[in-house]
Amino acid sequence: QVQLVESGGGVVQPGRSLRLSCAASRVNFGSYSMHWVRQAPGKGLEWVAVIWYDGSEKYYADSVKGRFTISRDNSKNTLYLQMNSVRAEDTAVYYCATPEDDASWFYFDYWGQGTLVTVSS
Amino acid sequence: QSALTQPASVSGSPGQSITISCTGTSSDVGSYNLVSWYQQHPGQAPKLMIYDVSQRPSGVSYRFSGSKSGNTASLTISGLQAEDEADYYCCSYAGSNTVIFGGGTKLTVL
Repeated sequence: QVQLVESGGGVVQPGRSLRLSCAASRVNFGSYSMHWVRQAPGKGLEWVAVIWYDGSEKYYADSVKGRFTISRDNSKNTLYLQMNSVRAEDTAVYYCATPEDDASWFYFDYWGQGTLVTVSS
Repeated sequence: QSALTQPASVSGSPGQSITISCTGTSSDVGSYNLVSWYQQHPGQAPKLMIYDVSQRPSGVSYRFSGSKSGNTASLTISGLQAEDEADYYCCSYAGSNTVIFGGGTKLTVL
């Protein structure tokens, strides 16, 4: 069974930084890609970023490119999202998600419960 | 990277069938058979219901089915049940190692 637990959310001022974490309980965590997906209050899902199983490749949505950085520590079974220069429109619940089979890395079989980030002065 | 287009809401009575459309472009839905659908109940994380346009993960009811024609994918739920009331999101591979979601559809079971 795969469990994902996000943490690090909270209230942050516009222009400041925040780092989210996602702790994974999964055998061979280092064999699977990991994603961040966000959901603004009362809005739909938005894909944010993906990192390959070994961290060699990272891809981002245009809305966060240049501001957010996805990373992972396979020795700690943990995924991260470094959020810099945050804006009001970054306010959302942030989910980490991962596929059942890394060959289908673009599907989200497993999700965490989410962590809320609120950008406000 | 504009979101895929879904109707804001659909409704149906118990036992009926409903279909939710998901319209993209030739750069995403139209180019790849890599469409998935997610169900989200209030306050919960999304759940994968359909992948590869029409495949169901283990444990998902046969009442859920998917299809695609051109730039439009569809999710059909047959034999509507009260517990199907939820938000539904389509998702497609969009090339260049990116993914795009639809805006979401709220399903109401009357």
